[in-house]
Amino acid sequence: EPEVTQTPSHQVTQMGQEVILRCVPISNHLYFYWYRQILGQKVEFLVSFYNNEISEKSEIFDDQFSVERPDGSNFTLKIRSTKLEDSAMYFCASRGLAGGPLETQYFGPGTRLLVL
Amino acid sequence: AQKVTQAQTEISVVEKEDVTLDCVYETRDTTYYLFWYKQPPSGELVFLIRRNSFDEQNEISGRYSWNFQKSTSSFNFTITASQVVDSAVYFCALSEAQYNFNKFYFGSGTKLNVKP
Repeated sequence: EPEVTQTPSHQVTQMGQEVILRCVPISNHLYFYWYRQILGQKVEFLVSFYNNEISEKSEIFDDQFSVERPDGSNFTLKIRSTKLEDSAMYFCASRGLAGGPLETQYFGPGTRLLVL
Repeated sequence: AQKVTQAQTEISVVEKEDVTLDCVYETRDTTYYLFWYKQPPSGELVFLIRRNSFDEQNEISGRYSWNFQKSTSSFNFTITASQVVDSAVYFCALSEAQYNFNKFYFGSGTKLNVKP
């Protein structure tokens, strides 16, 4: 069964460094998402992406964050200058077009980011 | 205001007990989906079930059952004869149709501890 993959599974970085989290959505999906989960808290929406542009973003998604689909398969989340509070699990999700807005989103396994 | 409320932060039961996890949601949409995800200690989000707003039939899948009641805006999840492997955090989520990019609203999760 097709699945969303994410790399790396874990990343440790120093405060102020740039990180890029990578996701490979399911191949025929057109809508892409990033969510964040700070340890012990709920999963929070960051951004949605469609047709090579951001369709919606939350207040968490400030100028330090950017997303890109550099080729036909990868979907990346970049944090330009990481802060301690960026430490979290980051989930990528994708969905297809067939079921419309309520089509299920499929989540990747997550990247656990630790900022020291 | 919270779109999805899971009032039970943590529940502990002894193996073989039944346990119900509560979920209350809030939406003005008439068309929406509700989801339950399981998050084991390894961190990934495991999809359990999706229900649409037009289908209030209760569902049973093995030891799992779901009770969807639009009148009380609730979508509760029951595990029958719980097992130690059911120990995890369980998240309820809502997706609304009015927004084409249908971000998920997650509840804060209920941590279930099943003791042998």
